[in-house]
Amino acid sequence: EPEVTQTPSHQVTQMGQEVILRCVPISNHLYFYWYRQILGQKVEFLVSFYNNEISEKSEIFDDQFSVERPDGSNFTLKIRSTKLEDSAMYFCASSGDSHSYEQYFGPGTRLTVT
Amino acid sequence: AQRVTQPEKLLSVFKGAPVELKCNYSYSGSPELFWYVQYSRQRLQLLLRHISRESIKGFTADLNKGETSFHLKKPFAQEEDSAMYYCALKQGGSEKLVFGKGTKLTVNP
Repeated sequence: EPEVTQTPSHQVTQMGQEVILRCVPISNHLYFYWYRQILGQKVEFLVSFYNNEISEKSEIFDDQFSVERPDGSNFTLKIRSTKLEDSAMYFCASSGDSHSYEQYFGPGTRLTVT
Repeated sequence: AQRVTQPEKLLSVFKGAPVELKCNYSYSGSPELFWYVQYSRQRLQLLLRHISRESIKGFTADLNKGETSFHLKKPFAQEEDSAMYYCALKQGGSEKLVFGKGTKLTVNP
């Protein structure tokens, strides 16, 4: 069964550094998402992406964040200058040809900012 | 703003006992409600959604608009049901899922 994959599984970075989290969505899916979960808190929506542009974003997704689909398979989340409070589990998800379809989640990347 | 509340952080039952995981939501429109499950060391996966009205792994959930609830129930819990359960809401026209904090269910032998 096809799955969403994410790399790396764990990323440690220093405050102020840029990080890029990578995701490979399910191949025939058209909607892509990033969520994050700070330890002990809720899974929170960051952004959705469709047709090569952001379709919806939350207040968390400020100018420090950006998303890109650089080729036909990868979907990336970039954090320009990481802060301690960016430490979280970041989940990528994808869904089919309608955003009403089920969102399939990746295993997550644990980002630790020191 | 939409909100999903799962009042129980932890829930522990014995195998064979009934289990109910509570979920309340606040949203003025017609939401779509979901239950997601995360087994140990596995990814979040959809368990069921209210519009399909189906039973998955013996679990059911009924949307009660009067009480704004979407509680997850199973008449006889199994040890393999031990997992983290998240209730989530999607409002019409939006793509984002709004999650509750989750309930960790432990089914003891």
